[in-house]
Amino acid sequence: DAGVIQSPRHEVTEMGQEVTLRCKPISGHDYLFWYRQTMMRGLELLIYFNNNVPIDDSGMPEDRFSAKMPNASFSTLKIQPSEPRDSAVYFCASTDSGAQGTQYFGPGTRLLVL
Amino acid sequence: KQEVTQIPAALSVPEGENLVLNCSFTDSAIYNLQWFRQDPGKGLTSLLLIQSSQREQTSGRLNASLDKSSGRSTLYIAASQPGDSATYLCAVKGSGSRLTFGEGTQLTVNP
Repeated sequence: DAGVIQSPRHEVTEMGQEVTLRCKPISGHDYLFWYRQTMMRGLELLIYFNNNVPIDDSGMPEDRFSAKMPNASFSTLKIQPSEPRDSAVYFCASTDSGAQGTQYFGPGTRLLVL
Repeated sequence: KQEVTQIPAALSVPEGENLVLNCSFTDSAIYNLQWFRQDPGKGLTSLLLIQSSQREQTSGRLNASLDKSSGRSTLYIAASQPGDSATYLCAVKGSGSRLTFGEGTQLTVNP
């Protein structure tokens, strides 16, 4: 399996623009997680899905952030409008509930908002 | 709210040395604990996962222990190599599927 796939790997945008990050989980995994990593706050869980349904979105920082999972093989994290403080590395991870919690991470998207 | 702390924040050792990384957590009601490795500019790679009923897990030169009652875990790396240089993160899983991460220990192994 190719592992968790994220795109783009790098994104530079200007404040106010819409940003869409994409994730393809490992085939057969029924949980998908979105994390954000910054120097100041470390690794934070933003939202996670089970069987395409959002289960816990308490980590989503503001209404500017939204996430969807239209099917088992694709999820998006959208920021609209983007702000400089959104600059971070965004990771997607997936797990098979039968794997008792081992999460497999994608390579991340490095976002810079100018 | 679960809080995870890792000590030290950074560690530099000469090649060949055995070393221990520490992780502590405030809520002992955990489902499991995972150790991850993160290389610069890369994602996280799972190293070891210890279920709450287990005391330790081993993989090659790595050994992770768990003392749930005291809220502590250690990652022991034997005979360290320059290729072990990375940031090591500890994460605990409580009820549900949420993982809470520590801030990591940045390890440098000098040749």
